[in-house]
Amino acid sequence: AQSVTQLDSQVPVFEEAPVELRCNYSSSVSVYLFWYVQYPNQGLQLLLKYLSGSTLVESINGFEAEFNKSQTSFHLRKPSVHISDTAEYFCAVIEGSYIPTFGRGTSLIVHP
Amino acid sequence: DTGVSQNPRHKITKRGQNVTFRCDPISEHNRLYWYRQTLGQGPEFLTYFQNEAQLEKSRLLSDRFSAERPKGSFSTLEIQRTEQGDSAMYLCASRGRGVNNEQFFGPGTRLTVL
Repeated sequence: AQSVTQLDSQVPVFEEAPVELRCNYSSSVSVYLFWYVQYPNQGLQLLLKYLSGSTLVESINGFEAEFNKSQTSFHLRKPSVHISDTAEYFCAVIEGSYIPTFGRGTSLIVHP
Repeated sequence: DTGVSQNPRHKITKRGQNVTFRCDPISEHNRLYWYRQTLGQGPEFLTYFQNEAQLEKSRLLSDRFSAERPKGSFSTLEIQRTEQGDSAMYLCASRGRGVNNEQFFGPGTRLTVL
């Protein structure tokens, strides 16, 4: 059965610093991987996804994630964060049944 | 706005009462999901519809929970005899046809059981 581990519940960082939010998954089959962002009092929004092809995927607002099959990881990175990136970030994995499993989330807190 | 909508946004009820939530998906989406999210946790899958058929139900969905999608459009989630442990955010998401289509989430209904 699939599972997702987000190793950090909270990541504080200063504005313009780089950040990495970690995600590891367990699955015995091929998977699709996703990162969602949730701002306060809002629903989840898709940030980026890996389905196949290039293992490095990017979002329009500067985030990127790399699928590492050998380490079963899909870490999210941004080279320079902004105050507006403060939010909850969820990693999710889908295998055959197309029902996603979400991690417990990482709260990114960007300080000025 | 053509996104996923949920009503009500907030619901406060007393223990033992029944509540019903509604989700209106994106109109051309044939797949609809319900999740529950508690503080400090990610969304937990509850149930999944493809058109009007309820194809999967989580073990989390006790007998007090029932979901319907009568015409393959909007969906309702009913909780009977609410308990304090039912307090959570209930999220709905819809998804179009095809393997690669992403889920689009609604803003959620926050339930507080007193």
